[in-house]
Amino acid sequence: DQQVKQNSPSLSVQEGRISILNCDYTNSMFDYFLWYKKYPAEGPTFLISISSIKDKNEDGRFTVFLNKSAKHLSLHIVPSQPGDSAVYFCAASAYSNYQLIWGAGTKLIIKP
Amino acid sequence: DVKVTQSSRYLVKRTGEKVFLECVQDMDHENMFWYRQDPGLGLRLIYFSYDVKMKEKGDIPEGYSVSREKKERFSLILESASTNQTSMYLCASIPSGVSSNQPQHFGDGTRLSIL
Repeated sequence: DQQVKQNSPSLSVQEGRISILNCDYTNSMFDYFLWYKKYPAEGPTFLISISSIKDKNEDGRFTVFLNKSAKHLSLHIVPSQPGDSAVYFCAASAYSNYQLIWGAGTKLIIKP
Repeated sequence: DVKVTQSSRYLVKRTGEKVFLECVQDMDHENMFWYRQDPGLGLRLIYFSYDVKMKEKGDIPEGYSVSREKKERFSLILESASTNQTSMYLCASIPSGVSSNQPQHFGDGTRLSIL
């Protein structure tokens, strides 16, 4: 049973436009959520996170929104750049981030 | 800056071989993790260790074992490699006792092919 779901395997966005990546979760005990970015043949790199006490966190071009009632979070990238083309993983943890539950990933393609 | 180093980027082994994947971190982190990543499945936890000589099974430990003899080094062992263990293997670390949530830090991964 997947506790963290990324239902879009891939997403194609025009350069300069907004990219919106979505993630749903089923476990109401999750209290910390992270987004990682992964290029081929490299390990995931941390992008941005949000605690369940917040509904928004912003870092430069990246904003994560959390809707606890819907058990949904989204990552917004504005404006999208060619270097943003990568696989994006959503992950969640309960009480500590020692163990993370991961989504399957969404491949983002930024078109010139 | 945290550095997690995995000994090999690419590895090709034969069915039945015993395979060792090594991971070293330089930040004195207590917690270390081994994942495998397969297309469409995300990252799945194989084993983790929260201290020297301590280990816990993750979601998919079958066919694997681990060793943590020193704090900075966490080894993943495939006892008798099989073709279904062909995958990308990722090591990560994080300190204990943090007052606020912090992300796991990953190595660059080992792409393992079992023929």
